[in-house]
Amino acid sequence: DIQMTQSPSSLSASVGDRVTITCQASQDILNYLNWYQQKPGKTPKLLISAASTLETGVPARFSGSGSGTDFTFTISSLQPEDIATYYCQQYDHLPTFGQGTRLELK
Amino acid sequence: QLQLQESGPGLLKPSETLSLTCTVSGASISTSHYYWAWIRQPPGKGLEWIASHYYAANTYYNPSLESRVTISVDTSKNHFSLRLRSVTAADTALYYCARNTYYYDSSGVYQHPASFDYWGQGVLVTVSS
Repeated sequence: DIQMTQSPSSLSASVGDRVTITCQASQDILNYLNWYQQKPGKTPKLLISAASTLETGVPARFSGSGSGTDFTFTISSLQPEDIATYYCQQYDHLPTFGQGTRLELK
Repeated sequence: QLQLQESGPGLLKPSETLSLTCTVSGASISTSHYYWAWIRQPPGKGLEWIASHYYAANTYYNPSLESRVTISVDTSKNHFSLRLRSVTAADTALYYCARNTYYYDSSGVYQHPASFDYWGQGVLVTVSS
């Protein structure tokens, strides 16, 4: 299995802050990496696919980058509605998720 | 508009078989070019992929669950089902069904599950004696 290590596991930030989450794969996964947002009590939502492709309707303040084993998810200017847990997910062969990053307001 | 809805018993005893159904509306499981997947989330924890099925073709399983899992499709009802045998307390989770896109690997022959782009609301299954 390909293991995905997300960091940090939690973070606190203020409205307007730039927020960055990283995800590291245990082996090269090319760009086979998605990012999901799960708000409290809600269903996960696909935000970014193929490491950097923003899904339709997702605000441009969200972005993703990386390839190989190291990936980054960024919120350029944190908004209150962005409070959620974020997961990376690789799909090089069989899907696996990172453990999640819980984002809170400072 | 595509919608998925999970249904099934919410409480099981250890060693029983979990059976859940995902009813799809707004698309046909048998003719749409997607995989259909199950994912679970233990209370307060992260997401775990269970399996993905392409109608009348491939099924991919999480190796840690493969020996206990079966996916089936009923095209007359446009739903797909999950069976998980010999459950324990560790199987207590919110179970989601989802539509699963796919990609072709470098050979151009083999499909692999990719993104989960539509999700059901989830159904909580508790395993307790």
